[in-house]
Amino acid sequence: AQSVAQPEDQVNVAEGNPLTVKCTYSVSGNPYLFWYVQYPNRGLQFLLKYITGDNLVKGSYGFEAEFNKSQTSFHLKKPSALVSDSALYFCAVRDKNTGGFKTIFGAGTRLFVKA
Amino acid sequence: DAGVTQSPTHLIKTRGQQVTLRCSPISGHKSVSWYQQVLGQGPQFIFQYYEKEERGRGNFPDRFSARQFPNYSSELNVNALLLGDSALYLCASSPADRGVNQPQHFGDGTRLSIL
Repeated sequence: AQSVAQPEDQVNVAEGNPLTVKCTYSVSGNPYLFWYVQYPNRGLQFLLKYITGDNLVKGSYGFEAEFNKSQTSFHLKKPSALVSDSALYFCAVRDKNTGGFKTIFGAGTRLFVKA
Repeated sequence: DAGVTQSPTHLIKTRGQQVTLRCSPISGHKSVSWYQQVLGQGPQFIFQYYEKEERGRGNFPDRFSARQFPNYSSELNVNALLLGDSALYLCASSPADRGVNQPQHFGDGTRLSIL
């Protein structure tokens, strides 16, 4: 069965400092991995995805993520955090082998960036 | 281009009632998925539809049903509402069927409250 774990309910970081939001996953086959961000009273916005190839994926708003197959992780990173990055972040996984769009989301990590 | 639109934005129902939620995908997107997001949790997959056919179903009771119309818009129906059905219901569209590496585009959701 597919699953996603986001071990931190909340991450606090000062503006200008690097940030990391952690994600680990479990799928039976090869994964498609995604990060989405959610602002209050809004739907989810796509940030980036890993399909295949280079383990470092670059996405929107300066975010990037590193795929690590041996550790089954897909941590979200940004070199310099902005106050406007404060939001709820979700990691998600799809199993290539099962097809369809059944996407499993983590419980979310709330990011607070302090000025 | 308009994004994914959902209606209504808010809805209040009482236990035992029935509700219909509506979703219009991004123009050209043929796949629509529905998710339930309970406060403090990640979205949970309910259904995926493509070309008017159900292509995926999550672990939800038969009280939940959906359909997709020829113009690719979709409705989610929930019968015999329970207090636990209170949640944000999200619709997401995507341009391809078997293109499971495509990210989904989310609407802002319908906030359903059951009294």
